[in-house]
Amino acid sequence: EAGVAQSPRYKIIEKRQSVAFWCNPISGHATLYWYQQILGQGPKLLIQFQNNGVVDDSQLPKDRFSAERLKGVDSTLKIQPAKLEDSAVYLCASSLRTGSGGELFFGEGSRLTVL
Amino acid sequence: GENVEQHPSTLSVQEGDSAVIKCTYSDSASNYFPWYKQELGKRPQLIIDIRSNVGEKKDQRIAVTLNKTAKHFSLHITETQPEDSAVYFCAASIGAQKLVFGQGTRLTINP
Repeated sequence: EAGVAQSPRYKIIEKRQSVAFWCNPISGHATLYWYQQILGQGPKLLIQFQNNGVVDDSQLPKDRFSAERLKGVDSTLKIQPAKLEDSAVYLCASSLRTGSGGELFFGEGSRLTVL
Repeated sequence: GENVEQHPSTLSVQEGDSAVIKCTYSDSASNYFPWYKQELGKRPQLIIDIRSNVGEKKDQRIAVTLNKTAKHFSLHITETQPEDSAVYFCAASIGAQKLVFGQGTRLTINP
C-alpha cells in the first residue's frame, strides 16, 4: 500500500515570498490533515478535511495560510506571504475515518525554511 | 481549552531499563489516546493507542495506562533497546474529530 506522498521535501524561501505544498493521501482515506511541526514541538493541527469539506481550521492563520482539497483527494497548503516563524515541517496525514480512533498515517513532511 | 501536557521533555535510560512518559489532558470528553513514535528525520508512526473504556493495553514491550478520573495516561516501555531511541508524542481526541498532540519526549537509550 502506497503511503502519504508529499512534495517538495525541502523548501527555502525569503520572508514575504509564497510557497505551496502538495499532499496525496492514501487511496480511500476520507480524512486529510495538515499539521505544522516546529522544531522541538509536537505537531499542531492547521486544517482537517473530510472529503473536500473543512472539518476544523480553527488554528489556521487565515490571513496568510490557505488550503484546499479539490475532488476530495489531493490537497495543497499555501503560505503567502511567509514569515520567519513559519519555518517548520509541514506534515500531511490521512486516515480512513474521522473522529476518535482513526489512525493517522503521516507523510515524510515538507521542511520549510524562511530566511 | 484544548491542551495536552507531556513530561518529561527528555529522558535518558540505560539499555534494558524501563522508560515511562506521562501525559495529562484537559477535555473530560476525550476518549481516544494514541502514542506516536518519530525517529530522527522520519514521519511519526502510531505505536499503541487506548480508548477510554479500558484502563490498560499492552503490546509486547510497550503498554499504555489510562486514568480517566485524573485525566492522565502513560506510556511504559520495558527492556529498552537502542532502537527505542526516538521522540514520542502522546495525543488526545478533542470533541468528536480532532487530535491534539503533546510536546514530545526525546528518549535516549544508553548502551
